[in-house]
Amino acid sequence: NAGVTQTPKFQVLKTGQSMTLQCAQDMNHEYMSWYRQDPGMGLRLIHYSVGAGITDQGEVPNGYNVSRSTTEDFPLRLLSAAPSQTSVYFCASSEGREAFFGQGTRLTVV
Amino acid sequence: RKEVEQDPGPFNVPEGATVAFNCTYSNSASQSFFWYRQDCRKEPKLLMSVYSSGNEDGRFTAQLNRASQYISLLIRDSKLSDSATYLCVVSGGSNYKLTFGKGTLLTVNP
Repeated sequence: NAGVTQTPKFQVLKTGQSMTLQCAQDMNHEYMSWYRQDPGMGLRLIHYSVGAGITDQGEVPNGYNVSRSTTEDFPLRLLSAAPSQTSVYFCASSEGREAFFGQGTRLTVV
Repeated sequence: RKEVEQDPGPFNVPEGATVAFNCTYSNSASQSFFWYRQDCRKEPKLLMSVYSSGNEDGRFTAQLNRASQYISLLIRDSKLSDSATYLCVVSGGSNYKLTFGKGTLLTVNP
């Protein structure tokens, strides 16, 4: 049982580049979300989805897009990377009381 | 006022010590409460849910006071393996959006 799989684990981007962080879960959970974690800031919600075809903004959505075409996948797109988006990104899925997180993507924008 | 506030820490305690973490939340409509544990450079994982009646899991005891909007976690007989960051997490309920505190780093020393 893989749980939540995120790729890539590490990424370095140049300012202005775009990329997609992949997230897949095999637990058939309806709810999926993306967080970023910065030193001293805790985890902050970027975007979330309550089911296929439904997405909504979280606390810090600017500069990111998401889509949810299937229950399993919830990719996060960085439209034009900025140094302020240097962070650790976590995808999570949940159904009920517990959220399961992917291993994270460490993104550096130079 | 931040939605979820935790003791800033860090806490450094000797093995065998008892350590308590405190957390307050601002949204009185919050429905679900959790403690997550995050090891260094790893993803958060659920440690335990928190109920109004209080709940215990081995050396760990969690308490919730809805009137005071206060959550606590007590760790007895600390082990080296308890060293981690402890995250207080609150959910609004219906769509499982999680709001995280910034976390409190615990180091248990031999």
